[in-house]
Amino acid sequence: EAGVAQSPRYKIIEKRQSVAFWCNPISGHATLYWYQQILGQGPKLLIQFQNNGVVDDSQLPKDRFSAERLKGVDSTLKIQPAKLEDSAVYLCASSSSPSVLETQYFGPGTRLLVL
Amino acid sequence: KQEVTQIPAALSVPEGENLVLNCSFTDSAIYNLQWFRQDPGKGLTSLLLIQSSQREQTSGRLNASLDKSSGRSTLYIAASQPGDSATYLCAVRTSGNTPLVFGKGTRLSVIA
Repeated sequence: EAGVAQSPRYKIIEKRQSVAFWCNPISGHATLYWYQQILGQGPKLLIQFQNNGVVDDSQLPKDRFSAERLKGVDSTLKIQPAKLEDSAVYLCASSSSPSVLETQYFGPGTRLLVL
Repeated sequence: KQEVTQIPAALSVPEGENLVLNCSFTDSAIYNLQWFRQDPGKGLTSLLLIQSSQREQTSGRLNASLDKSSGRSTLYIAASQPGDSATYLCAVRTSGNTPLVFGKGTRLSVIA
């Protein structure tokens, strides 16, 4: 079974530029998560999708961050414009259902550096 | 607001030692607690999940305990191996519809 795929793996941009990350969850997984992990910190949930609907985006900085999952499969996370403090690893995870007992499977992450 | 603390931040042990990683949380009214492993440049892998009604969970050489009243969990690793070297993260869920709150992790190095 293929795991969660993310691209790109690394991205370096200058502040005020825009950037987008892509995630392909495990086939058949209805629930998709985006996390932000700043160096030395634990991951923080940015947004949770159930199919193509948003379940929780309470911690998403909506003035600059946006995410979509139009067909209920792949998802993109966008930052526009980027700030220095957005430097972090962005992790995508998926699970077969939103149940809190379901294991979340994580992708390798996209490491973003904002200069 | 739930806060999760992990001590120590880093730990180095010789191969074969038994070790304990600690996790504490400020709000004892949790729904469940999970331990994850993170290897450099990779995502997280779930190791153990303990429901609030449980006291411990075991998987192979790993044993996680939960003491809700004191706001603590421990991850016990028996007979450590170099392949156990990774960062171990503890995460708690306060209710059934709230996100996981993670600690900063403990970076473990097992020296051959």
